[in-house]
Amino acid sequence: GAGVSQSPSNKVTEKGKDVELRCDPISGHTALYWYRQSLGQGLEFLIYFQGNSAPDKSGLPSDRFSAERTGGSVSTLTIQRTQQEDSAVYLCASSLTRATYEQYFGPGTRLTVT
Amino acid sequence: GEDVEQSLFLSVREGDSSVINCTYTDSSSTYLYWYKQEPGAGLQLLTYIFSNMDMKQDQRLTVLLNKKDKHLSLRIADTQTGDSAIYFCAEDNQGGKLIFGQGTELSVKP
Repeated sequence: GAGVSQSPSNKVTEKGKDVELRCDPISGHTALYWYRQSLGQGLEFLIYFQGNSAPDKSGLPSDRFSAERTGGSVSTLTIQRTQQEDSAVYLCASSLTRATYEQYFGPGTRLTVT
Repeated sequence: GEDVEQSLFLSVREGDSSVINCTYTDSSSTYLYWYKQEPGAGLQLLTYIFSNMDMKQDQRLTVLLNKKDKHLSLRIADTQTGDSAIYFCAEDNQGGKLIFGQGTELSVKP
């Protein structure tokens, strides 16, 4: 079956522009997670969604970052007024439920802010 | 606070055993994980251990957990060149929010 997919795979943007990153989780998975992987900070949790519950946004680094999940499936991570320190690989993962131990990761979107 | 520490590099010869170590700080973690990341690829779950276990074996992989010392290790028997990758340990104490270590880059020399 299809795994977690993310688009675009690479994104280059100018400082100050807004970007949207998309994640398609595995069908039937109710939990969806965003992480960021950068050289300076390693792998960091950003946000997760579980069904219709309010998302846990505790990992978002600033109010320029937001995410939504429409219809309990596809999720979009939006970064407004991008800064160079936002350059990183943004990883999405999904799991059957929040309590399920196995999170399946997508290939990531590499964001470069020039 | 939450913190997971790993050594950054490990080099072994093909056929030897590799041992990758990890320490964590949150004793309430319910699951501890090992993930593998190959160049240009996403994260792949290798194995996990529940916090009430001391050891778990899965083919060439052995996970040891010392809860008293908050120490986790991953042993790879008969290491192959295809095992060259970055290995991340992670803890999960809030039903899915993973806290990752910095990753250990394993280099396997023929």
